[in-house]
Amino acid sequence: GESVGLHLPTLSVQEGDNSIINCAYSNSASDYFIWYKQESGKGPQFIIDIRSNMDKRQGQRVTVLLNKTVKHLSLQIAATQPGDSAVYFCAENLRSSNTGKLIFGQGTTLQVKP
Amino acid sequence: EAGVAQSPRYKIIEKRQSVAFWCNPISGHATLYWYQQILGQGPKLLIQFQNNGVVDDSQLPKDRFSAERLKGVDSTLKIQPAKLEDSAVYLCASSLSWGNTIYFGEGSWLTVV
Repeated sequence: GESVGLHLPTLSVQEGDNSIINCAYSNSASDYFIWYKQESGKGPQFIIDIRSNMDKRQGQRVTVLLNKTVKHLSLQIAATQPGDSAVYFCAENLRSSNTGKLIFGQGTTLQVKP
Repeated sequence: EAGVAQSPRYKIIEKRQSVAFWCNPISGHATLYWYQQILGQGPKLLIQFQNNGVVDDSQLPKDRFSAERLKGVDSTLKIQPAKLEDSAVYLCASSLSWGNTIYFGEGSWLTVV
């Protein structure tokens, strides 16, 4: 079946450094991916999304890269701040199912050291 | 713009009891989702509504879980009888339609003892 996975459960970075969070997906038919940030005690917060007809998309301090050849997705956070500390999930939208259903990975915990 | 509202935020019940969670989606959003998030895992879809119709409930344990969205706006998720393994966060989410960005509420935290 389909699955979306993240490479590392925990990533620790120094404040001000850039962070890279990786995600691998298994369904080559997937064509829409989303990154969510989840802080302790809160619901997932939309960060950025990308469709399969793109390789890169930039937001404010965040960039998502999509490599369809190896089925790999990454989230880059520039100048990481203490407020970026959270669990980050990549999610796959099964658009072929016409439901908008999201398949989430396990999540990567980002720890920002002052 | 107001976000997805959920209540109650926290609930502790004994096994075999019942519980109900309420959700009010973002105004104008036709699609509403209920996800279950077990501690340490990513959210898993339980049920999806398009207006007041069910689109996907394939992962809803129908022997104990039920959900409705009678007027195509608010929704209620019920668990009866609850089991210990139902302890989780129940997240409601909504989107304009099924292909649009999905926004989540803060979640309802359930502990079954």
